[in-house]
Amino acid sequence: RKEVEQDPGPFNVPEGATVAFNCTYSNSASQSFFWYRQDCRKEPKLLMSVYSSGNEDGRFTAQLNRASQYISLLIRDSKLSDSATYLCVVPRGSGGSYIPTFGRGTSLIVHP
Amino acid sequence: NAGVTQTPKFRVLKTGQSMTLLCAQDMNHEYMYWYRQDPGMGLRLIHYSVGEGTTAKGEVPDGYNVSRLKKQNFLLGLESAAPSQTSVYFCASRTGLGSDTQYFGPGTRLTVL
Repeated sequence: RKEVEQDPGPFNVPEGATVAFNCTYSNSASQSFFWYRQDCRKEPKLLMSVYSSGNEDGRFTAQLNRASQYISLLIRDSKLSDSATYLCVVPRGSGGSYIPTFGRGTSLIVHP
Repeated sequence: NAGVTQTPKFRVLKTGQSMTLLCAQDMNHEYMYWYRQDPGMGLRLIHYSVGEGTTAKGEVPDGYNVSRLKKQNFLLGLESAAPSQTSVYFCASRTGLGSDTQYFGPGTRLTVL
Protein backbone atom coordinates (compact mmCIF):
# COMPACT_ATOMS: atom_id res chain seq x y z
CA ARG A 1 0.00 0.00 0.00
CA LYS A 2 1.39 3.40 -0.95
CA GLU A 3 1.97 5.85 1.88
CA VAL A 4 -0.61 8.32 0.60
CA GLU A 5 -3.15 7.47 -2.09
CA GLN A 6 -5.64 9.66 -3.90
CA ASP A 7 -8.04 9.13 -6.77
CA PRO A 8 -6.55 11.32 -9.53
CA GLY A 9 -9.98 12.06 -11.04
CA PRO A 10 -10.79 14.34 -12.72
CA PHE A 11 -13.97 15.04 -10.82
CA ASN A 12 -16.14 17.02 -13.20
CA VAL A 13 -19.02 18.78 -11.39
CA PRO A 14 -21.44 21.63 -12.12
CA GLU A 15 -21.40 24.86 -10.18
CA GLY A 16 -23.26 24.56 -6.91
CA ALA A 17 -22.62 20.85 -6.53
CA THR A 18 -21.19 19.15 -3.48
CA VAL A 19 -18.11 17.03 -4.10
CA ALA A 20 -15.94 14.92 -1.83
CA PHE A 21 -12.47 13.43 -2.20
CA ASN A 22 -10.82 10.79 -0.09
CA CYS A 23 -7.17 10.23 0.74
CA THR A 24 -5.95 6.99 2.31
CA TYR A 25 -2.71 6.69 4.23
CA SER A 26 -0.66 3.76 5.48
CA ASN A 27 1.17 5.18 8.52
CA SER A 28 -1.15 4.66 11.48
CA ALA A 29 1.14 6.78 13.67
CA SER A 30 0.54 9.97 11.67
CA GLN A 31 -0.87 12.74 13.84
CA SER A 32 -1.41 15.59 11.42
CA PHE A 33 -2.92 15.78 7.97
CA PHE A 34 -3.19 18.50 5.37
CA TRP A 35 -5.01 19.43 2.21
CA TYR A 36 -3.16 21.71 -0.20
CA ARG A 37 -4.60 23.31 -3.30
CA GLN A 38 -2.52 23.59 -6.46
CA ASP A 39 -3.61 25.65 -9.43
CA CYS A 40 -2.27 24.82 -12.86
CA ARG A 41 1.45 25.58 -13.09
CA LYS A 42 1.46 27.20 -9.66
CA GLU A 43 2.85 26.27 -6.26
CA PRO A 44 0.76 24.35 -3.70
CA LYS A 45 -0.92 26.40 -1.01
CA LEU A 46 -2.35 25.19 2.28
CA LEU A 47 -6.11 24.78 2.21
CA MET A 48 -6.81 23.03 5.52
CA SER A 49 -5.07 21.15 8.28
CA VAL A 50 -6.59 18.33 10.33
CA TYR A 51 -5.22 17.38 13.72
CA SER A 52 -8.17 15.62 15.34
CA SER A 53 -11.49 14.47 13.96
CA GLY A 54 -12.04 17.26 11.49
CA ASN A 55 -11.96 20.89 10.49
CA GLU A 56 -14.37 23.25 8.76
CA ASP A 57 -13.71 26.50 6.95
CA GLY A 58 -16.65 27.99 5.11
CA ARG A 59 -17.62 25.69 2.25
CA PHE A 60 -14.77 23.30 2.98
CA THR A 61 -14.84 20.47 5.50
CA ALA A 62 -12.03 18.03 6.18
CA GLN A 63 -12.66 14.90 8.19
CA LEU A 64 -10.35 12.25 9.60
CA ASN A 65 -11.21 8.58 10.05
CA ARG A 66 -8.35 7.03 11.99
CA ALA A 67 -9.90 3.57 12.15
CA SER A 68 -10.03 3.30 8.36
CA GLN A 69 -6.97 5.52 7.85
CA TYR A 70 -8.38 8.08 5.49
CA ILE A 71 -9.11 11.77 5.39
CA SER A 72 -11.74 13.40 3.25
CA LEU A 73 -12.31 16.84 1.82
CA LEU A 74 -15.87 18.00 1.20
CA ILE A 75 -16.59 21.06 -0.89
CA ARG A 76 -20.11 22.45 -0.80
CA ASP A 77 -21.66 24.85 -3.30
CA SER A 78 -18.77 24.45 -5.75
CA LYS A 79 -17.52 27.55 -7.53
CA LEU A 80 -15.73 27.80 -10.87
CA SER A 81 -12.74 29.08 -8.91
CA ASP A 82 -12.54 25.80 -6.98
CA SER A 83 -11.18 24.12 -10.13
CA ALA A 84 -7.70 22.95 -9.13
CA THR A 85 -5.75 19.92 -7.99
CA TYR A 86 -6.12 19.02 -4.33
CA LEU A 87 -3.10 17.42 -2.70
CA CYS A 88 -3.29 15.31 0.43
CA VAL A 89 -0.25 15.47 2.72
CA VAL A 90 0.45 13.02 5.52
CA PRO A 91 3.70 13.72 7.37
CA ARG A 92 5.61 11.04 9.18
CA GLY A 93 8.01 11.57 12.04
CA SER A 94 8.44 14.72 14.04
CA GLY A 95 11.02 17.40 14.71
CA GLY A 96 14.13 16.78 12.65
CA SER A 97 12.69 13.61 11.13
CA TYR A 98 9.41 15.24 10.02
CA ILE A 99 8.89 14.15 6.41
CA PRO A 100 5.84 15.43 4.52
CA THR A 101 4.50 12.84 2.08
CA PHE A 102 2.28 14.02 -0.74
CA GLY A 103 -0.40 12.14 -2.60
CA ARG A 104 -0.55 12.49 -6.37
CA GLY A 105 -3.48 14.85 -6.13
CA THR A 106 -7.13 14.86 -7.17
CA SER A 107 -8.17 17.06 -10.06
CA LEU A 108 -11.43 18.99 -9.75
CA ILE A 109 -13.12 20.71 -12.66
CA VAL A 110 -16.15 22.84 -11.90
CA HIS A 111 -18.15 23.78 -14.99
CA PRO A 112 -20.96 26.31 -15.50
CA ASN B 1 8.08 40.08 3.20
CA ALA B 2 8.63 38.09 0.00
CA GLY B 3 8.04 34.64 1.53
CA VAL B 4 9.81 31.94 -0.47
CA THR B 5 11.52 32.87 -3.72
CA GLN B 6 13.22 30.66 -6.30
CA THR B 7 15.80 31.50 -8.91
CA PRO B 8 15.68 30.96 -11.86
CA LYS B 9 12.04 30.53 -12.91
CA PHE B 10 12.91 28.70 -16.13
CA ARG B 11 16.03 27.01 -17.45
CA VAL B 12 17.00 24.81 -20.38
CA LEU B 13 20.12 22.69 -20.03
CA LYS B 14 21.96 20.28 -22.26
CA THR B 15 22.75 16.80 -20.98
CA GLY B 16 25.87 16.89 -18.85
CA GLN B 17 25.69 20.57 -17.92
CA SER B 18 25.53 21.65 -14.32
CA MET B 19 23.46 24.26 -12.56
CA THR B 20 22.35 25.46 -9.15
CA LEU B 21 18.82 26.36 -8.13
CA LEU B 22 18.51 28.91 -5.35
CA CYS B 23 15.75 29.00 -2.78
CA ALA B 24 15.51 31.91 -0.36
CA GLN B 25 13.07 32.54 2.48
CA ASP B 26 12.72 35.63 4.67
CA MET B 27 10.50 34.10 7.35
CA ASN B 28 13.33 32.83 9.57
CA HIS B 29 12.12 29.25 9.07
CA GLU B 30 14.26 26.38 10.33
CA TYR B 31 13.15 23.71 7.88
CA MET B 32 13.55 23.82 4.14
CA TYR B 33 12.69 21.27 1.44
CA TRP B 34 13.33 20.62 -2.22
CA TYR B 35 10.71 18.72 -4.23
CA ARG B 36 10.28 17.74 -7.83
CA GLN B 37 6.92 17.38 -9.53
CA ASP B 38 6.40 15.40 -12.71
CA PRO B 39 3.17 15.07 -14.74
CA GLY B 40 0.66 12.85 -12.96
CA MET B 41 2.89 12.60 -9.94
CA GLY B 42 2.69 14.20 -6.56
CA LEU B 43 5.57 16.13 -5.11
CA ARG B 44 8.55 13.93 -4.35
CA LEU B 45 11.06 15.00 -1.75
CA ILE B 46 14.64 15.31 -3.02
CA HIS B 47 16.53 16.68 -0.01
CA TYR B 48 15.65 18.63 3.08
CA SER B 49 17.30 20.62 5.85
CA VAL B 50 16.36 20.93 9.50
CA GLY B 51 18.57 23.94 10.12
CA GLU B 52 21.57 25.94 8.98
CA GLY B 53 24.47 23.68 8.08
CA THR B 54 22.38 20.48 7.96
CA THR B 55 21.01 18.50 5.03
CA ALA B 56 19.38 15.09 4.63
CA LYS B 57 18.27 12.85 1.78
CA GLY B 58 14.66 12.53 0.82
CA GLU B 59 12.87 10.07 -1.42
CA VAL B 60 14.70 10.79 -4.71
CA PRO B 61 18.15 12.25 -3.92
CA ASP B 62 20.24 10.64 -6.67
CA GLY B 63 21.82 13.12 -9.08
CA TYR B 64 21.30 16.09 -6.76
CA ASN B 65 23.31 17.79 -4.04
CA VAL B 66 22.27 20.49 -1.61
CA SER B 67 23.78 23.01 0.75
CA ARG B 68 22.43 25.22 3.51
CA LEU B 69 25.27 27.53 4.45
CA LYS B 70 22.89 30.30 5.53
CA LYS B 71 19.59 29.80 7.29
CA GLN B 72 17.65 31.73 4.68
CA ASN B 73 19.07 29.93 1.63
CA PHE B 74 18.81 26.33 0.40
CA LEU B 75 20.68 25.48 -2.80
CA LEU B 76 19.97 22.51 -5.06
CA GLY B 77 22.74 21.46 -7.43
CA LEU B 78 22.70 19.28 -10.50
CA GLU B 79 26.29 18.27 -11.27
CA SER B 80 25.63 16.52 -14.57
CA ALA B 81 22.10 17.05 -15.79
CA ALA B 82 20.17 14.20 -17.41
CA PRO B 83 16.89 14.27 -19.38
CA SER B 84 15.25 12.38 -16.49
CA GLN B 85 15.76 15.50 -14.39
CA THR B 86 13.39 17.49 -16.57
CA SER B 87 10.78 18.56 -14.05
CA VAL B 88 9.29 21.39 -12.03
CA TYR B 89 11.24 21.98 -8.85
CA PHE B 90 9.57 23.46 -5.79
CA CYS B 91 11.22 24.70 -2.66
CA ALA B 92 9.33 24.96 0.62
CA SER B 93 10.01 26.13 4.14
CA ARG B 94 8.42 25.47 7.52
CA THR B 95 8.91 27.18 10.82
CA GLY B 96 8.75 24.06 12.96
CA LEU B 97 7.60 26.10 15.94
CA GLY B 98 4.07 24.89 16.60
CA SER B 99 3.15 24.99 12.92
CA ASP B 100 3.47 22.29 10.29
CA THR B 101 2.42 24.50 7.39
CA GLN B 102 4.80 24.49 4.45
CA TYR B 103 5.18 27.63 2.35
CA PHE B 104 6.18 27.02 -1.24
CA GLY B 105 8.14 29.03 -3.74
CA PRO B 106 6.75 29.58 -7.26
CA GLY B 107 8.81 26.77 -8.78
CA THR B 108 11.59 26.39 -11.33
CA ARG B 109 10.78 24.74 -14.65
CA LEU B 110 13.83 22.85 -15.84
CA THR B 111 14.20 21.15 -19.20
CA VAL B 112 17.22 18.97 -19.94
CA LEU B 113 17.76 18.23 -23.61
